[in-house]
Amino acid sequence: GAVVSQHPSWVICKSGTSVKIECRSLDFQATTMFWYRQFPKQSLMLMATSNEGSKATYEQGVEKDKFLINHASLTLSTLTVTSAHPEDSSFYICSARDYRAGGPDTQYFGPGTRLTVL
Amino acid sequence: GENVEQHPSTLSVQEGDSAVIKCTYSDSASNYFPWYKQELGKRPQLIIDIRSNVGEKKDQRIAVTLNKTAKHFSLHITETQPEDSAVYFCAASRTGGGADGLTFGKGTHLIIQP
Repeated sequence: GAVVSQHPSWVICKSGTSVKIECRSLDFQATTMFWYRQFPKQSLMLMATSNEGSKATYEQGVEKDKFLINHASLTLSTLTVTSAHPEDSSFYICSARDYRAGGPDTQYFGPGTRLTVL
Repeated sequence: GENVEQHPSTLSVQEGDSAVIKCTYSDSASNYFPWYKQELGKRPQLIIDIRSNVGEKKDQRIAVTLNKTAKHFSLHITETQPEDSAVYFCAASRTGGGADGLTFGKGTHLIIQP
């Protein structure tokens, strides 16, 4: 149980284009999902909290108009990187809480999406 | 906001020896402290977690201790094995409302020498 998937696993795009990343909870419902960014050999940084049926909450310094988050169902959250630039190249990882197992605080991570902007 | 400090950044131990990684946090309201193991290019995997109403938790070779007064928590791995080599992250969050994301430490690269 508690499986989180992401798609695509990697993507290469040209500067100025937009990229959509999907995060799915496969065997449980997730009212809350989280999006993190991880640069090479660095830690994970929380970008935003995605809430089903409502607006996402962004961390300080994260541009909400650049990183669009939609959580339209209890099993799917999407992150769209708009007008991507080379500095947006990173590993984007989502996580979701599974309230069934391990307690309400446990977060399970997706496999991540490697974004490279040329 | 929360700030999590993690030490050391690199730790090399002989196979079979113990490894200890330490973290401190700044927000006294934080109440959930997980540890994740991440292998290169892969997702973080939860290895153990502890909540603020508990001082210690153990799972086979892995244990975590929490000192709320000093605001620090530690990961202990005994009888280390080659497959323990990875990057380990501590994290903290203030939960209860089900909406707080994790603040991570900078990570510790654990190297198990054969």
